[in-house]
Amino acid sequence: SQQGEEDPQALSIQEGENATMNCSYKTSINNLQWYRQNSGRGLVHLILIRSNEREKHSGRLRVTLDTSKKSSSLLITASRAADTASYFCAANTGNQFYFGTGTSLTVIP
Amino acid sequence: EAEVAQSPRYKITEKSQAVAFWCDPISGHATLYWYRQILGQGPELLVQFQDESVVDDSQLPKDRFSAERLKGVDSTLKIQPAELGDSAMYLCASSAPGDTEAFFGQGTRLTVV
Repeated sequence: SQQGEEDPQALSIQEGENATMNCSYKTSINNLQWYRQNSGRGLVHLILIRSNEREKHSGRLRVTLDTSKKSSSLLITASRAADTASYFCAANTGNQFYFGTGTSLTVIP
Repeated sequence: EAEVAQSPRYKITEKSQAVAFWCDPISGHATLYWYRQILGQGPELLVQFQDESVVDDSQLPKDRFSAERLKGVDSTLKIQPAELGDSAMYLCASSAPGDTEAFFGQGTRLTVV
């Protein structure tokens, strides 16, 4: 069964705007990861944040983690049409990855 | 660049037929995962291998699904007999030990008619 939920389920923004998506998970984690999936393709790893970290940046991505609330957020700044995809969080317990339900992001040129 | 290979990319099969998917993980990755992803949902773990051993197959419908990784390298997932509800994307992933990411293949899109 899915261990996480993302919200919103779908998000549509204009190119250049920022996109924020949130993830809640149920289990204790070693780290929390975010993945991107283009339609009909496999998942691609974006960023990993460890359980003892609170914030991490990578290029236009910023991820936060609140282990007390079992939640994480992914911010994509200055969005581009090419960012259109589904985004999934994955709670990594050290043994397994538990994926959320995903946020479908559409960036309108 | 190393990647996880999966075949076939697409498979259409009639219900009650047998179907098999193949996965070749990144060299040196001891952990291999098979996930099923229904359209519009996140991946759900079917089976996890550590080398040739099954670590978790609690969500694998064992009456019709089987998975093996005989030499601890590539893996095969089989469905027999296929049912309409098995239509989904089947994703294989592998990871190295430790605090690392999972690397995914492109998946096999199965349609059961």
